[in-house]
Amino acid sequence: EVQLVESGGGLVKPGESLRLSCAASGLTLNTAWMSWVRQTPGKGLEWVGRVKSTGGTTDNDALVKGRFTISRDDSKNTLYLQMNNLKSEDSAVYYCTTEGFGYGYHAMDVWGQGTTVTVSS
Amino acid sequence: QSALTQPASVSGSRGQSITLSCTGTNSDVGGFDYVSWYQHHPGEAPKLIIYHITNRPSGVSNRFSGSKFGNTASLTISGLQAEDEADYYCGSYSSSSILLFGGGTRVTVL
Repeated sequence: EVQLVESGGGLVKPGESLRLSCAASGLTLNTAWMSWVRQTPGKGLEWVGRVKSTGGTTDNDALVKGRFTISRDDSKNTLYLQMNNLKSEDSAVYYCTTEGFGYGYHAMDVWGQGTTVTVSS
Repeated sequence: QSALTQPASVSGSRGQSITLSCTGTNSDVGGFDYVSWYQHHPGEAPKLIIYHITNRPSGVSNRFSGSKFGNTASLTISGLQAEDEADYYCGSYSSSSILLFGGGTRVTVL
């Protein structure tokens, strides 16, 4: 069974940085496409970006404007989301998900439980 | 790119059928077969219920069905049940290689 466990969320001030982690079991991350998705009360689900099995990344630049970086540590089988210059509108629950793992291209079929980020002074 | 357009809320009585819409453009919903639907109960992780417009993952009730015409995708829930009360999001791949979501539809079972 594939399991994804996010961690690293918390309360930070505007302008600060935070790194989220997503530890995977039952799945080798360098064989899968992985995405980060966030959920805010006001805007619902928003796709943040992905890392492909090859290691290449795609960001939702309109959303993150170069402030977020997705990476992966294959030795730890862990996905990361580095978030810099955080703003109040980045407050959300952040999920890591598989993308096209079991049910076709670009379908997000396995989700972690999410980690909450609150940006407030 | 803008989010996909979904109605904010849809309601129906138990046993009825309801249809949720998801409108995009030729660059996303209309241009690809990569439309998915997700069910989200508050406090839980979203759940994939439809992928590639019409396909159901293993274990998802056949009361959920998907379709697409032009730039609009639809999710139909038949035989509405209390446990179907949730938020539903559509998602689509786009020509810029990013994924787009709709704003979500809150389904209320009367």
